[in-house]
Amino acid sequence: GQSLEQPSEVTAVEGAIVQMNCTYQTSGFYGLSWYQQHDGGAPTFLSYNALDGLEETGRFSSFLSRSDSYGYLLLQELQMKDSASYFCAVRDNYGQNFVFGPGTRLSVLP
Amino acid sequence: GAGVSQSPSNKVTEKGKDVELRCDPISGHTALYWYRQSLGQGLEFLIYFQGNSAPDKSGLPSDRFSAERTGGSVSTLTIQRTQQEDSAVYLCASSGRGNNEQFFGPGTRLTVL
Repeated sequence: GQSLEQPSEVTAVEGAIVQMNCTYQTSGFYGLSWYQQHDGGAPTFLSYNALDGLEETGRFSSFLSRSDSYGYLLLQELQMKDSASYFCAVRDNYGQNFVFGPGTRLSVLP
Repeated sequence: GAGVSQSPSNKVTEKGKDVELRCDPISGHTALYWYRQSLGQGLEFLIYFQGNSAPDKSGLPSDRFSAERTGGSVSTLTIQRTQQEDSAVYLCASSGRGNNEQFFGPGTRLTVL
């Protein structure tokens, strides 16, 4: 089976940096994805890590350590519009299915 | 179209009725996924298609749920004899071959009275 864990809530202030963690237990592993979902909206893709290390896209960075079954999403220069839920998802060993974590709700305060 | 579309956007039904939810993926995308999301919760995987076949049906909650995909394009999720616990937002996503990104539709909000 597969399971993912994420903290349920994180709060930070505008301009700050926040890190949201994801740990997983899977029978197989292809890669770790991150999605953002605003209230009432659909999830949108942020990043994907197949190999260990840091991937950077603008203010967003994602990190993966396969030996630790751990990853995180880093958001810099936080803005109010970053308030949303953030989900990690594991791509399983068969290559196509994705299993999502329970999500972390980020609240950005002025 | 440019993105994934789903219909209807909202569906209110009475307990015991059957419902059909439709998903139109991005043209050319071979993989199609169905998820269910209850208010404030994560995404619960239901089923995915590779072309017209469904390699993984493990997420379907009961035999009241079924799905099909025709022509490698449109997919229909059918829920028979709906129950109140079926109330949720049903999300569809598609991705291209070898693509790690899933593109989500706006969802269908199902309410079973």
